[in-house]
Amino acid sequence: SQTIHQWPATLVQPVGSPLSLECTVEGTSNPNLYWYRQAAGRGLQLLFYSVGIGQISSEVPQNLSASRPQDRQFILSSKKLLLSDSGFYLCAWAWGGANTGELFFGEGSRLTVL
Amino acid sequence: GNSVTQMEGPVTLSEEAFLTINCTYTATGYPSLFWYVQYPGEGLQLLLKATKADDKGSNKGFEATYRKETTSFHLEKGSVQVSDSAVYFCALSDPNFGNEKLTFGTGTRLTIIP
Repeated sequence: SQTIHQWPATLVQPVGSPLSLECTVEGTSNPNLYWYRQAAGRGLQLLFYSVGIGQISSEVPQNLSASRPQDRQFILSSKKLLLSDSGFYLCAWAWGGANTGELFFGEGSRLTVL
Repeated sequence: GNSVTQMEGPVTLSEEAFLTINCTYTATGYPSLFWYVQYPGEGLQLLLKATKADDKGSNKGFEATYRKETTSFHLEKGSVQVSDSAVYFCALSDPNFGNEKLTFGTGTRLTIIP
């Protein structure tokens, strides 16, 4: 069976510090991978998606970046966090090329920037 | 661009009450429509979907019908249970990217009281 792991679950960081959130998927190969963010009172906003190693599409210009160094690993990073980066970050995967619309989500990482 | 507007929460109902959570959308082309649910402490999971006009998605007693004329996909359940307490997200796909880029609504928190 397939599983998705996302960590850390919670993170409190000062403004200007770096960020690294990691997501790994097990039990499948060549998945599509996604990073979403949910800010207070807003819907889930797609930040990045990837259809393969080294292939990253950015949806929103921002202070964040993503990388996919391995087939089942997706990393969300920032060099210097802003207060507005606070939120709930969700990693998700989908069967590559299946076009079903079904995403499988991790349990999320809550980031608080102080 | 694509957008999803769903009923503001929170919604509190008594057990066995009838549930409706409204969802309307704006999209170009012919998107697929989805309801995702997030139970406490868990990641989002697909509840049901509909891929074309007049389709009805159903699962776990929940139903939603794809209404193109009113651009709506309202979620309904005839008799809710305490275990239905969760956050519900309406979403649509971007037909220009298969079904794997989803736009989500803000979510509606549902609490069922025994």
